[in-house]
Parts: sequence; structure tokens; C-alpha cells
Amino acid sequence: EIVMSQSPAILSVSPGERATLSCRASDSVTNNLAWYQQKPGQAPRLLIYSASTRATSIPARFSGSGSGTDFTLTITSLQSEDFAVYFCQQSQSWPFTFGGGTKVEAK
Amino acid sequence: EVLLVESGGGLVRPGGSVRLSCRASGFTFSNHWMTWIRQAPGKGLEWVASIKEDGSENFYVDAVEGRFTVSRDNAKNSLSLQMNSLRAEDTAVYFCVTGLAVAAFWGQGTLVAVAS
Repeated sequence: EIVMSQSPAILSVSPGERATLSCRASDSVTNNLAWYQQKPGQAPRLLIYSASTRATSIPARFSGSGSGTDFTLTITSLQSEDFAVYFCQQSQSWPFTFGGGTKVEAK
Repeated sequence: EVLLVESGGGLVRPGGSVRLSCRASGFTFSNHWMTWIRQAPGKGLEWVASIKEDGSENFYVDAVEGRFTVSRDNAKNSLSLQMNSLRAEDTAVYFCVTGLAVAAFWGQGTLVAVAS
């Protein structure tokens, strides 16, 4: 099973600043990597798939990069509605697995 | 608009059974793999089971293999998860989602609590 690790666990950011979230896989997942956003009491929402492709209706301030084992989700100019938990997920091999999440909170 | 509505959750005794359902609308259900993903309270996400468009193939995470069965009725745009021999560690919100490798659309989830 491929283990996904996310860092940091908590990221404190001021509105308007850039947020950089990391995700590392225990084995190569090539570019089979997705990012999700989850707000309290809500289901997750797909942000990025294939490591760098934004899902429908996702603002351009969200971008994904990386391949192999190391990936990054960048949120430029953080908005108030972006405070949430972010999960990465690999689909390289079954079972598909998620990282433990990074909580982006207001500084 | 894609809409996924789960139902069937509740409080279940250890060793008991429950059947979750998901009604889908707003897309051609029979053209998509479907998946169940769960989230234990305050925890992360776990991919539970996926089923092919025509129901001919499915995958389960080891933790539920042999206890859970995923099925679908394309005529009714419906996805199901039969959960047997439930354990405390199965307590979670269960989400119905579209897709196999990428969970594109999510339902609001239904809570299954396994406790005596």
C-alpha cells in the first residue's frame, strides 16, 4: 500500500498570502495525484487531478505541481473561503489512499 | 447538476448489518464507476469500495473485504453498500462519489455508528 504523507499538519496563513502544502508518497505515483478541499461539516471537493489539472470551476489561485513522490498544492493570495483542510490522494495503485490532511487556518 | 444523496445510516450493534443507498441524478449514471469513501469522526479519508459502470468489476479495501458488498442498479440510478459483521472501527460518515481514480463529485454523506 502506498502511504501518503502531508506537511505541515497545520499551516497558519494571513488572507492575501501564499500557502504551500506538501504531499509525499512512499512510492512513485507518477502523476496520479489529486487534491481535495474539505470545510467543516461538508463533503470534500475535488480541486486538482493528474497532479496539476484544475477541476471544473476551481479558481486559478489553486495550482498543483510535482510528479513521482513529491507534490505541492499552492494557493496564491489566500481568500477567507480557502481556510479548510486539504487532502492529497493517489490513484497509482489499489488501494487508493489519502494523506492525513493539512489544515489551513487564519494567522 | 450532479446530485448524490446517501441514506441508510444509523446506530448499529457490533456484528450487525446495515445497507447504505445512494440515489444519483444529473449525469449518466451507467457511464461512470462509482465509489464509497468513508471518514471516521475527526479523522482522514479512506477509499472503501468501487464498482465498474456495468457492475462487472469491483474493488474493496482490505479492511472491509468479505464483509462489505458494493452493488448498483443502473435502471434506478442507484448505488448500494451492504455492510455486514460491523465493527467499532467501521464507524464513519460514508460518502457516495463518482469515479474510480478521482472522486469528482460527492454526496453529503451518511453516518454509520457501530456501538453497543
